[in-house]
Formats: sequence, structure tokens, C-alpha cells
Amino acid sequence: EIVLTQSPGTLSLSPGERATLSCRASQSVTSSYLAWYQQKPGQAPRLLIYGASSRATGIPDRFSGSGSGTDFTLTISRLEPEDFAVYYCQQYGSSPRTFGQGTKVEIK
Amino acid sequence: QVQLVQSGAEVKKPGASVKVSCKASGYTFTNYGITWVRQAPGQGLEWMGWISAYNANTNYAQKLQGRVTMTTDTSTSTAYMELRSLRSDDTAVYFCARDHYGDYPKYWGQGTLVTVSS
Repeated sequence: EIVLTQSPGTLSLSPGERATLSCRASQSVTSSYLAWYQQKPGQAPRLLIYGASSRATGIPDRFSGSGSGTDFTLTISRLEPEDFAVYYCQQYGSSPRTFGQGTKVEIK
Repeated sequence: QVQLVQSGAEVKKPGASVKVSCKASGYTFTNYGITWVRQAPGQGLEWMGWISAYNANTNYAQKLQGRVTMTTDTSTSTAYMELRSLRSDDTAVYFCARDHYGDYPKYWGQGTLVTVSS
């Protein structure tokens, strides 16, 4: 089973700042099959990024994903008020399709 | 537009079973699979398994093997997740999600809260 470790656990930033979230895998993720999701309280997760770096339909270009192998990054170039949420990475290259434990981006 | 509408909240006693439904619309049901994910209160996301709506092939998380069954009814475009021998740590919001050709979950249902309590 691939274990995904996200860091930091919590990121305290102000609107307009840049957010950099990390997702590290215990073994190489097949074909960069890595997705990122945003979740707000009481809501279902929302797909942001798939294939490590492809933005899902309707996702603003301030969200970008990068990485390969075991190290992946989600970057939010300039935080908007609606971006404060919890972010999860998930690998879908092998079973079980594990999630990271999440990074909370909170308002400083 | 793609929509997944899940059944309502449930309260169950330990040892009982629960069956959550997920009705799909806005796409050809048999062209995609359905993933089930759960989230315990205040916790992260846990992948439970996947079912192909085309041929009903399944892939379950090992920790749930023997207690979970995922099925589909193509006549009503509905997916089901049944979890048996419920324990208190099964208390969670259960989400269904339509995948993208067997890959990542792309469209999500609204979630169903299952509470296990004596």
C-alpha cells in the first residue's frame, strides 16, 4: 500500500499570499497518477488537479500541480478568501487508492 | 450535468448493516465506475473501494473485505454500498463518486452520514 504523507498539517497564510503544499509517497506513484482535492466544511471534496499537473474543468489557473515519482506539490499562487479549506492528495495508480491525511490552509 | 444523489442519514446499532444508495444522472451510467470514500468525524478521507458499472467488477479496501459489498442497478442508474457488522468506528460520512474512466473520482455525491451507536 502506498502511504501518502502531506505537509505541513496546517498552513497559516493571508489572502494574496502563495501556498505550497507537499505530498510525499512511500513509493513511486505509477505514471504520476496523483490527484488533488479541496474540501470545505460540510461539503464533498472537489477535484482540482489530476495526473499530477492537469487542472480539472473550471479550476482557476492560480492552482497548479507539479511533481513525479514520490514528491508532488500543489501551489496556490495567490490565495483568495474562498481557497481557505483542507486539501487532500490521492494516488490512483495502484490499489488501494490511498489519500493523504490532508493539509488545512487557514487564514492567518 | 452529472449528478449523484445519495440516500439520507442513517442511525444503526452495533452489529447491524447499512445500505447507502447513490443515484446517478446526466451521463451514461455503464460507461464509468463508482468509488466509495468515507470520512470519520474530523478525520481525513478513506478510500473504501470501487465498482465498475459496466461489468460489476469490484475492488475493495483490504480492511473492509468481508464486511462491504458494492453493487449497481443499471436499470435505475443507482449504485449501492452495504456495510455489515457495524462498529462505532464506522461512524462517518460516506461519499460516492463517479470516476474518470477508472481513474480518479471526478464527480461526488453530497455524502450520507451513518451513525453507529447503541
